[in-house]
Amino acid sequence: DAGVTQSPTHLIKTRGQQVTLRCSPKSGHDTVSWYQQALGQGPQFIFQYYEEEERQRGNFPDRFSGHQFPNYSSELNVNALLLGDSALYLCASSLGKGVREQYFGPGTRLTVT
Amino acid sequence: QKEVEQDPGPLSVPEGAIVSLNCTYSNSAFQYFMWYRQYSRKGPELLMYTYSSGNKEDGRFTAQVDKSSKYISLFIRDSQPSDSATYLCAMRGPGGTSYGKLTFGQGTILTVHP
Repeated sequence: DAGVTQSPTHLIKTRGQQVTLRCSPKSGHDTVSWYQQALGQGPQFIFQYYEEEERQRGNFPDRFSGHQFPNYSSELNVNALLLGDSALYLCASSLGKGVREQYFGPGTRLTVT
Repeated sequence: QKEVEQDPGPLSVPEGAIVSLNCTYSNSAFQYFMWYRQYSRKGPELLMYTYSSGNKEDGRFTAQVDKSSKYISLFIRDSQPSDSATYLCAMRGPGGTSYGKLTFGQGTILTVHP
């Protein structure tokens, strides 16, 4: 049973660039949530996708956008990168919009220079 | 004030000790409570999930929720060096506007030494 997968593992970008991160949910799951985890901090909720729509959004600017595909996989896009965007980006999957247990992927470590 | 407060530690205990990890929260709407374990440079792994007040036991792990005090705990019995990790508490409100948002504590770094 495949768990949550994310790509790439690591990424280095320059300030001002744009980045796309990818996530495939756990088999049987249809909901994907994205989190940002700064070093030494707990994850912060970015947004959640269910039925290909953004259902809920955390306190992140519009530079952060996403998409969910018919196969339930998801992308996180970040435009105009800032140094402060350097973090571990985590994808979590769950079943149904009445989310309870969320299962996390290994994350993508983004470094902005 | 953060919605969820968690002492970051670090906490260092000898092998075999009982470990107590705690979080306090301010949002009385939180109903679902979780504990995650995160190894260095890995994603969080779900350990325990509880709903509302009470205790839940799973092997060496026991989760406690006291909604009246807005306080949750995770106990680890017979701790092992492999338990060395960061432990994150997380919580969520009821459905509706809080479908997917988990609110996390800062995480407590635990080291179990042989």
